[in-house]
Amino acid sequence: AQKVTQAQTEISVVEKEDVTLDCVYETRDTTYYLFWYKQPPSGELVFLIRRNSFDEQNEISGRYSWNFQKSTSSFNFTITASQVVDSAVYFCALSEARNRDDKIIFGKGTRLHILP
Amino acid sequence: DAGVIQSPRHEVTEMGQEVTLRCKPISGHDYLFWYRQTMMRGLELLIYFNNNVPIDDSGMPEDRFSAKMPNASFSTLKIQPSEPRDSAVYFCASSLPGPSNQPQHFGDGTRLSIL
Repeated sequence: AQKVTQAQTEISVVEKEDVTLDCVYETRDTTYYLFWYKQPPSGELVFLIRRNSFDEQNEISGRYSWNFQKSTSSFNFTITASQVVDSAVYFCALSEARNRDDKIIFGKGTRLHILP
Repeated sequence: DAGVIQSPRHEVTEMGQEVTLRCKPISGHDYLFWYRQTMMRGLELLIYFNNNVPIDDSGMPEDRFSAKMPNASFSTLKIQPSEPRDSAVYFCASSLPGPSNQPQHFGDGTRLSIL
């Protein structure tokens, strides 16, 4: 069965610090997709990134970077030089290609507070 | 491009009343998903449609909940009768066919309060 674990319920860091949000997943499928979403205080859910299981290259987008390691079933998200605007709940999610039911399974989320 | 549009943004009603939440997916998206978000349970998938056909409604909590998608550009989630425990934020999301590799694009949500 597929499962996503975000062990960090809540994190607080001071502005300009780097912070890493952990995501560990479980799947029996060899082809799967991982996602990160951001939910700012305004409430909407914003898609950040998708990664397929065959692409283990790390991704960098500005201050955001993602580290995908199949060996540890992890897809961690790092924010460099954090800013107050990064304060949000971040969700990691997984979907399986073989499943064919088109569902995305979300983790419980990590609430990130960036303190000025 | 317009994103997923949900209405109303906020709904406050008394228990026992019928509640109807509305969603307009992104044009060209074949999949539509309804989620409920609460502090206790996080994000729960209630039901999803493919080409207007309900595919999986196993997440619908009980018979008081129903969802329809009469056409490609409109869906409703109805609760009748509503109860205080239904209070939550309800999200609608849509995606391109993938089937599973496409990101879901979410609406702003409907914050529902049942008194």
